[in-house]
Amino acid sequence: NAGVTQTPKFRVLKTGQSMTLLCAQDMNHEYMYWYRQDPGMGLRLIHYSVGEGTTAKGEVPDGYNVSRLKKQNFLLGLESAAPSQTSVYFCASSTRDRGSTEAFFGQGTRLTVV
Amino acid sequence: TQLLEQSPQFLSIQEGENLTVYCNSSSVFSSLQWYRQEPGEGPVLLVTVVTGGEVKKLKRLTFQFGDARKDSSLHITAAQPGDTGLYLCAGATGYQKVTFGTGTKLQVIP
Repeated sequence: NAGVTQTPKFRVLKTGQSMTLLCAQDMNHEYMYWYRQDPGMGLRLIHYSVGEGTTAKGEVPDGYNVSRLKKQNFLLGLESAAPSQTSVYFCASSTRDRGSTEAFFGQGTRLTVV
Repeated sequence: TQLLEQSPQFLSIQEGENLTVYCNSSSVFSSLQWYRQEPGEGPVLLVTVVTGGEVKKLKRLTFQFGDARKDSSLHITAAQPGDTGLYLCAGATGYQKVTFGTGTKLQVIP
């Protein structure tokens, strides 16, 4: 059982480049999330989805876009990368609202923007 | 933005020692979760507490939710090297409103 899988695991981008991070879950979860983790800041929610075809903004959505065309996949896009987007990105999924149930996390994507 | 302060930020102890990690906020939470994160991995849920004053035990780990549901503590008895990791608390204040703490990095030296 793979759980939550993120692709790629590492990436270096130049300022202004674009990229897409892919998250796939095989647990049939309705809810999916994208977080970024920075030292001393904890995990901050970028965007989330409560079901196929729906997305919503989290705490720090600027500079990111997302899509949930299939229930099992949640894509995070950076249209024009900036050094401030250097971070470790985590995808997570859950059966219900994440405050009331366990969220399962992927292994993370370490992104460096130079 | 709400803030969940964790203390201490870093903790390095010898195997066999006891320790307590604190998670504090000015907000009242409907529930609070503790996660552990190992290097290169995502966080993994340890426990969820929902009732003020609630105490839950997971082997050598004891979790307590404050009476006013604004704070929580994690106590580890006789720490082992396998306890090494980043401990994160996460408090919920409503639907999809979950704030993660700043984290406590624990190192247990054999």
